Amino acid sequence: SAVISQKPSRDICQRGTSLTIQCQVDSQVTMMFWYRQQPGQSLTLIATANQGSEATYESGFVIDKFPISRPNLTFSTLTVSNMSPEDSSIYLCAYRDSGSRGYNSPLHFGNGTRLTVT
Amino acid sequence: DAKTTQPPSMDCAEGRAANLPCNHSTISGNEYVYWYRQIHSQGPQYIIHGLKNNETNEMASLIITEDRKSSTLILPHATLRDTAVYYCIVVTTDSWGKLQFGAGTQVVVTP
Repeated sequence: SAVISQKPSRDICQRGTSLTIQCQVDSQVTMMFWYRQQPGQSLTLIATANQGSEATYESGFVIDKFPISRPNLTFSTLTVSNMSPEDSSIYLCAYRDSGSRGYNSPLHFGNGTRLTVT
Repeated sequence: DAKTTQPPSMDCAEGRAANLPCNHSTISGNEYVYWYRQIHSQGPQYIIHGLKNNETNEMASLIITEDRKSSTLILPHATLRDTAVYYCIVVTTDSWGKLQFGAGTQVVVTP
């Protein structure tokens, strides 16, 4: 499987500011996803990052708050906008291999970005 | 996607087999059972998946009952490094494999 990396690995930000998280895969992949893991909780899917088109957001998540870019098949960014302490979470990206049938190929995750908003 | 039910926690002795149950009584014919685990401070790691046949790989075995309403993940010789939260997830072919995580089972392997 391809190597996936996220930057930054952690950050402490002030409320009202925005942070952009980068996700890089070392080979082309079909699908990329962004997840959030709030403290002590399980993972929640934020959106599917689509190459060349707008991201598809899950219920409860909106583009104005979590804008996503996917300029090519190896890279995506998630921005957490106008942050508040409630946005303190781990944000993880994941990918699915190119050329695989969606239901028969596992997701591979990065190690996440630990965000603390003060 | 069908929901899953897992025990919140399990203890296992090092070197013994760990058997992790998962109930998915509302699973439909086109849904796969996936298992992931998340070691502290890391992203989830794929373990294994199956449709209706039992599956085995270098990490674990997956046993799916004939009616597909439940499954068991078997770690044959648990080590301390297997301490993690284990997630059983049912994935439909129509969802492009998007994973919806539940609470999982916290497995603690003790010496």
